[in-house]
Amino acid sequence: GESVGLHLPTLSVQEGDNSIINCAYSNSASDYFIWYKQESGKGPQFIIDIRSNMDKRQGQRVTVLLNKTVKHLSLQIAATQPGDSAVYFCAENRGQAGTALIFGKGTTLSVSS
Amino acid sequence: DTEVTQTPKHLVMGMTNKKSLKCEQHMGHRAMYWYKQKAKKPPELMFVYSYEKLSINESVPSRFSPECPNSSLLNLHLHALQPEDSALYLCASSQGDRSQPQHFGDGTRLSIL
Repeated sequence: GESVGLHLPTLSVQEGDNSIINCAYSNSASDYFIWYKQESGKGPQFIIDIRSNMDKRQGQRVTVLLNKTVKHLSLQIAATQPGDSAVYFCAENRGQAGTALIFGKGTTLSVSS
Repeated sequence: DTEVTQTPKHLVMGMTNKKSLKCEQHMGHRAMYWYKQKAKKPPELMFVYSYEKLSINESVPSRFSPECPNSSLLNLHLHALQPEDSALYLCASSQGDRSQPQHFGDGTRLSIL
């Protein structure tokens, strides 16, 4: 499968491949992280979240990994499908009282069949 | 379909007009948010309402005026906007706990002439 070591704005994969999208977060005090998918003309759609007391969480075809040591978050999509084509954003809470989120720059995933 | 409903979907206005964006959610969420999103950029937080009270204003110009009439509704009043205010305006809601995801509407595409 395709993977990205550092954040890249775009990722192109073939249908059926596994995709890995990376994100570096900024605040050591952040303790909650979310991945969103945004399709053209739509708002961000919740995919999966993870709290800082976990290293890994799995959903349907998606897995989020959290490495607090290097402040790194990744989203793995298994058997990528054309419908997975979208912009993917990671988001972190601000590590303080309150619910505001800080969004990462986003990665555009393109899936070709 | 999203559970956060935003109207209108598109809005074109002149710099001297006054208009309002509306947002509604019926998930019983206690926190509501306004974000601004420019093309190919992540959403940027503008305002946070918690239990119908404004809790965060990210130094947004006064030509944007938020209002939360009740726990289900959120408005954004617009007056004397500038062309650089053209963007996608997203509303979101959450349960109000800092480890719960925000759920987004599909936004209002605003164009300032």
